Amino acid sequence: GAGVSQSPRYKVAKRGQDVALRCDPISGHVSLFWYQQALGQGPEFLTYFQNEAQLDKSGLPSDRFFAERPEGSVSTLKIQRTQQEDSAVYLCASSLFSGGGTEAFFGQGTRLTVV
Amino acid sequence: GESVGLHLPTLSVQEGDNSIINCAYSNSASDYFIWYKQESGKGPQFIIDIRSNMDKRQGQRVTVLLNKTVKHLSLQIAATQPGDSAVYFCAEKANWGAQKLVFGQGTRLTINP
Repeated sequence: GAGVSQSPRYKVAKRGQDVALRCDPISGHVSLFWYQQALGQGPEFLTYFQNEAQLDKSGLPSDRFFAERPEGSVSTLKIQRTQQEDSAVYLCASSLFSGGGTEAFFGQGTRLTVV
Repeated sequence: GESVGLHLPTLSVQEGDNSIINCAYSNSASDYFIWYKQESGKGPQFIIDIRSNMDKRQGQRVTVLLNKTVKHLSLQIAATQPGDSAVYFCAEKANWGAQKLVFGQGTRLTINP
């Protein structure tokens, strides 16, 4: 596709349920990022992949959050035992190269609501 | 800790007027700054960037100004159009090779007809 694709667009989960959010980056992009955006706030960094290697996961808020990119393309963000404070928009971004002024392209996000 | 913030959460301007959106940052070591536009239901979209060795950069209808002395960044939009209505975020990278972006809270720009 032409851009970063995320699915599902909307997800409602009951508290305690596990969820999996998918990101299809732009083909050939080396770098992939996950951000969390609470209502009315700016995105906050969660984790970063260079190809299949997860090089930075310093932003993951707890061990309930797990991300993977096993073949260096599609990535999945998994949240176990969801809690109400996990409600947010989860944004995925990809860029052609790592570092420098390489532009990051964002997907539309997945809006997660935990009830 | 490092943070990027904005002076005003909302800004309302008349169509055709110029808009100025401001941003203050606290990390004096930050090397790279970016402005993003986010429309409702969409992800952030790159507008313009600037490195710390510059104080001004111009794009199409947009200009970014960087004042490192007071750690201030601004985005000027000329002749605003209805399509400019969105939330604008400034973001920074700690250095040129850094990966993660640190975003500010955002300013909602509304264009009045």
